[in-house]
Amino acid sequence: AQSVTQPDIHITVSEGASLELRCNYSYGATPYLFWYVQSPGQGLQLLLKYFSGDTLVQGIKGFEAEFKRSQSSFNLRKPSVHWSDAAEYFCAVGASGNTGKLIFGQGTTLQVKP
Amino acid sequence: DTGVSQDPRHKITKRGQNVTFRCDPISEHNRLYWYRQTLGQGPEFLTYFQNEAQLEKSRLLSDRFSAERPKGSFSTLEIQRTEQGDSAMYLCASSLSRGSLGYGYTFGSGTRLTVV
Repeated sequence: AQSVTQPDIHITVSEGASLELRCNYSYGATPYLFWYVQSPGQGLQLLLKYFSGDTLVQGIKGFEAEFKRSQSSFNLRKPSVHWSDAAEYFCAVGASGNTGKLIFGQGTTLQVKP
Repeated sequence: DTGVSQDPRHKITKRGQNVTFRCDPISEHNRLYWYRQTLGQGPEFLTYFQNEAQLEKSRLLSDRFSAERPKGSFSTLEIQRTEQGDSAMYLCASSLSRGSLGYGYTFGSGTRLTVV
Protein backbone atom coordinates (compact mmCIF):
# COMPACT_ATOMS: atom_id res chain seq x y z
CA ALA A 1 0.00 0.00 0.00
CA GLN A 2 1.12 3.52 -0.66
CA SER A 3 2.29 5.53 2.31
CA VAL A 4 4.23 8.62 3.28
CA THR A 5 6.45 8.99 6.32
CA GLN A 6 7.68 12.25 7.73
CA PRO A 7 10.13 11.18 10.43
CA ASP A 8 10.36 14.54 12.17
CA ILE A 9 7.22 15.66 13.98
CA HIS A 10 8.71 18.94 15.15
CA ILE A 11 11.76 20.90 14.00
CA THR A 12 13.16 24.15 15.36
CA VAL A 13 15.65 26.23 13.39
CA SER A 14 17.06 29.70 13.84
CA GLU A 15 16.06 32.42 11.44
CA GLY A 16 18.55 32.55 8.59
CA ALA A 17 19.62 28.94 9.04
CA SER A 18 19.11 26.29 6.39
CA LEU A 19 16.24 23.83 6.56
CA GLU A 20 15.68 20.29 5.44
CA LEU A 21 12.41 18.44 6.06
CA ARG A 22 12.45 14.73 5.39
CA CYS A 23 9.89 12.70 3.50
CA ASN A 24 9.96 9.02 2.60
CA TYR A 25 7.34 7.36 0.46
CA SER A 26 6.26 3.88 -0.43
CA TYR A 27 5.03 3.45 -3.98
CA GLY A 28 5.64 0.85 -6.67
CA ALA A 29 5.89 3.04 -9.76
CA THR A 30 7.20 6.54 -10.39
CA PRO A 31 5.26 8.63 -7.92
CA TYR A 32 3.69 12.03 -8.09
CA LEU A 33 5.07 13.85 -5.05
CA PHE A 34 4.01 17.06 -3.36
CA TRP A 35 4.86 19.37 -0.51
CA TYR A 36 2.15 21.51 1.06
CA VAL A 37 2.33 24.14 3.79
CA GLN A 38 -0.44 24.90 6.26
CA SER A 39 -0.59 27.93 8.53
CA PRO A 40 -2.68 27.64 11.72
CA GLY A 41 -6.39 27.37 11.00
CA GLN A 42 -5.87 27.55 7.26
CA GLY A 43 -6.10 25.25 4.29
CA LEU A 44 -3.12 23.81 2.48
CA GLN A 45 -0.99 25.68 -0.03
CA LEU A 46 1.04 23.81 -2.62
CA LEU A 47 4.77 24.57 -2.37
CA LEU A 48 6.01 22.33 -5.16
CA LYS A 49 5.39 19.08 -6.99
CA TYR A 50 7.32 16.39 -8.82
CA PHE A 51 5.82 14.42 -11.69
CA SER A 52 8.82 13.48 -13.83
CA GLY A 53 12.01 14.86 -15.33
CA ASP A 54 14.53 16.90 -13.38
CA THR A 55 14.76 15.47 -9.90
CA LEU A 56 15.41 18.86 -8.31
CA VAL A 57 12.24 20.91 -8.34
CA GLN A 58 11.84 24.51 -7.42
CA GLY A 59 8.80 25.83 -5.65
CA ILE A 60 7.36 28.98 -4.23
CA LYS A 61 8.78 30.97 -1.33
CA GLY A 62 12.33 29.84 -2.07
CA PHE A 63 11.73 26.15 -1.36
CA GLU A 64 13.13 23.27 -3.37
CA ALA A 65 12.91 19.50 -3.12
CA GLU A 66 14.94 16.64 -4.51
CA PHE A 67 13.49 13.33 -5.63
CA LYS A 68 15.79 10.39 -4.91
CA ARG A 69 14.37 7.17 -6.22
CA SER A 70 17.10 5.00 -4.65
CA GLN A 71 16.20 6.33 -1.22
CA SER A 72 12.44 6.69 -1.81
CA SER A 73 12.80 10.23 -0.54
CA PHE A 74 11.56 13.68 -1.46
CA ASN A 75 13.15 16.06 1.04
CA LEU A 76 12.23 19.72 1.19
CA ARG A 77 14.97 22.33 1.57
CA LYS A 78 15.38 26.04 1.98
CA PRO A 79 18.77 27.74 2.25
CA SER A 80 17.72 30.50 4.64
CA VAL A 81 14.59 30.30 6.77
CA HIS A 82 12.44 33.33 7.54
CA TRP A 83 10.24 33.73 10.60
CA SER A 84 7.18 33.63 8.32
CA ASP A 85 8.06 30.06 7.32
CA ALA A 86 6.87 28.79 10.71
CA ALA A 87 3.99 26.47 9.84
CA GLU A 88 3.13 22.83 9.35
CA TYR A 89 4.52 21.07 6.30
CA PHE A 90 3.00 18.03 4.66
CA CYS A 91 4.48 15.67 2.12
CA ALA A 92 2.04 13.75 -0.07
CA VAL A 93 2.06 11.12 -2.79
CA GLY A 94 -0.54 10.75 -5.52
CA ALA A 95 -2.43 7.49 -5.29
CA SER A 96 -2.43 5.17 -8.26
CA GLY A 97 -5.34 4.97 -10.66
CA ASN A 98 -5.43 8.57 -11.83
CA THR A 99 -8.09 9.46 -9.26
CA GLY A 100 -6.16 12.49 -8.10
CA LYS A 101 -6.35 11.20 -4.54
CA LEU A 102 -3.46 12.22 -2.29
CA ILE A 103 -1.95 10.30 0.59
CA PHE A 104 -0.43 12.61 3.16
CA GLY A 105 2.25 12.19 5.77
CA GLN A 106 1.62 13.18 9.37
CA GLY A 107 3.29 16.52 8.91
CA THR A 108 6.28 18.35 10.37
CA THR A 109 5.78 21.44 12.49
CA LEU A 110 8.46 24.05 11.88
CA GLN A 111 9.28 26.54 14.57
CA VAL A 112 11.64 29.43 13.75
CA LYS A 113 13.70 31.01 16.51
CA PRO A 114 14.59 34.70 16.19
CA ASP B 1 -12.74 33.31 -9.46
CA THR B 2 -11.33 33.56 -5.96
CA GLY B 3 -10.51 29.92 -5.34
CA VAL B 4 -12.22 27.22 -3.33
CA SER B 5 -14.72 28.50 -0.77
CA GLN B 6 -15.97 26.59 2.25
CA ASP B 7 -18.82 27.52 4.52
CA PRO B 8 -19.01 27.78 7.46
CA ARG B 9 -15.45 28.31 8.66
CA HIS B 10 -16.29 27.07 12.12
CA LYS B 11 -19.14 24.98 13.46
CA ILE B 12 -19.82 23.99 17.05
CA THR B 13 -22.56 21.44 17.52
CA LYS B 14 -23.92 19.23 20.22
CA ARG B 15 -23.41 15.51 20.01
CA GLY B 16 -26.24 13.87 18.14
CA GLN B 17 -27.05 16.86 15.95
CA ASN B 18 -26.75 16.88 12.17
CA VAL B 19 -24.42 19.28 10.40
CA THR B 20 -23.92 20.22 6.75
CA PHE B 21 -20.93 21.88 5.16
CA ARG B 22 -20.72 23.48 1.75
CA CYS B 23 -17.86 23.70 -0.72
CA ASP B 24 -17.76 25.88 -3.83
CA PRO B 25 -14.90 24.77 -6.10
CA ILE B 26 -13.08 26.73 -8.77
CA SER B 27 -15.68 27.00 -11.51
CA GLU B 28 -13.81 25.23 -14.30
CA HIS B 29 -12.65 22.35 -12.08
CA ASN B 30 -14.60 19.17 -12.65
CA ARG B 31 -13.13 17.22 -9.72
CA LEU B 32 -13.97 17.92 -6.09
CA TYR B 33 -12.43 16.23 -3.06
CA TRP B 34 -13.25 16.07 0.64
CA TYR B 35 -10.57 15.38 3.23
CA ARG B 36 -10.67 15.21 7.02
CA GLN B 37 -7.82 16.41 9.19
CA THR B 38 -7.63 15.71 12.89
CA LEU B 39 -5.27 17.51 15.23
CA GLY B 40 -1.64 16.66 14.61
CA GLN B 41 -2.36 14.53 11.55
CA GLY B 42 -2.22 14.94 7.83
CA PRO B 43 -5.42 15.16 5.79
CA GLU B 44 -7.17 11.86 5.09
CA PHE B 45 -9.16 11.28 1.94
CA LEU B 46 -12.92 10.93 2.39
CA THR B 47 -14.47 11.05 -1.07
CA TYR B 48 -14.31 12.65 -4.47
CA PHE B 49 -16.56 13.63 -7.35
CA GLN B 50 -15.96 13.98 -11.03
CA ASN B 51 -18.69 16.29 -12.21
CA GLU B 52 -21.78 15.09 -10.33
CA ALA B 53 -20.68 11.47 -9.97
CA GLN B 54 -19.24 10.30 -6.67
CA LEU B 55 -16.45 7.99 -7.82
CA GLU B 56 -14.81 6.83 -4.61
CA LYS B 57 -15.56 6.81 -0.91
CA SER B 58 -13.12 5.99 1.85
CA ARG B 59 -13.88 3.46 4.53
CA LEU B 60 -13.56 6.43 6.88
CA LEU B 61 -16.87 7.65 5.49
CA SER B 62 -19.32 5.82 7.71
CA ASP B 63 -23.02 5.61 6.94
CA ARG B 64 -23.53 8.76 9.02
CA PHE B 65 -21.66 10.72 6.36
CA SER B 66 -23.09 11.64 2.99
CA ALA B 67 -21.76 13.89 0.27
CA GLU B 68 -23.45 15.27 -2.80
CA ARG B 69 -22.58 17.35 -5.80
CA PRO B 70 -25.95 17.61 -7.49
CA LYS B 71 -25.15 19.75 -10.51
CA GLY B 72 -21.44 19.19 -10.74
CA SER B 73 -20.73 22.54 -9.15
CA PHE B 74 -20.88 23.02 -5.36
CA SER B 75 -20.83 20.09 -2.96
CA THR B 76 -22.26 19.42 0.47
CA LEU B 77 -21.00 17.10 3.17
CA GLU B 78 -23.54 16.09 5.80
CA ILE B 79 -22.79 14.33 9.06
CA GLN B 80 -25.76 12.86 10.87
CA ARG B 81 -25.88 12.12 14.60
CA THR B 82 -22.52 13.72 15.20
CA GLU B 83 -20.08 12.15 17.64
CA GLN B 84 -17.16 13.70 19.48
CA GLY B 85 -14.82 11.74 17.22
CA ASP B 86 -16.12 13.72 14.27
CA SER B 87 -14.41 16.85 15.59
CA ALA B 88 -11.89 17.76 12.89
CA MET B 89 -11.10 20.13 10.07
CA TYR B 90 -12.97 19.22 6.90
CA LEU B 91 -11.11 20.30 3.81
CA CYS B 92 -12.41 20.61 0.29
CA ALA B 93 -10.24 20.77 -2.81
CA SER B 94 -10.86 20.96 -6.54
CA SER B 95 -8.89 20.17 -9.67
CA LEU B 96 -9.13 19.25 -13.33
CA SER B 97 -9.20 15.63 -14.33
CA ARG B 98 -6.73 15.82 -17.20
CA GLY B 99 -3.86 13.46 -16.39
CA SER B 100 -1.39 14.85 -13.91
CA LEU B 101 -3.53 17.97 -13.61
CA GLY B 102 -5.84 15.82 -11.54
CA TYR B 103 -3.29 16.19 -8.78
CA GLY B 104 -3.03 19.96 -9.08
CA TYR B 105 -5.34 20.71 -6.20
CA THR B 106 -6.53 23.98 -4.86
CA PHE B 107 -7.65 23.59 -1.25
CA GLY B 108 -10.22 25.65 0.55
CA SER B 109 -9.58 27.03 4.03
CA GLY B 110 -11.61 24.29 5.63
CA THR B 111 -14.50 23.98 8.05
CA ARG B 112 -13.51 23.28 11.63
CA LEU B 113 -16.11 21.16 13.39
CA THR B 114 -16.24 20.88 17.15
CA VAL B 115 -18.69 18.42 18.66
CA VAL B 116 -19.44 19.06 22.33
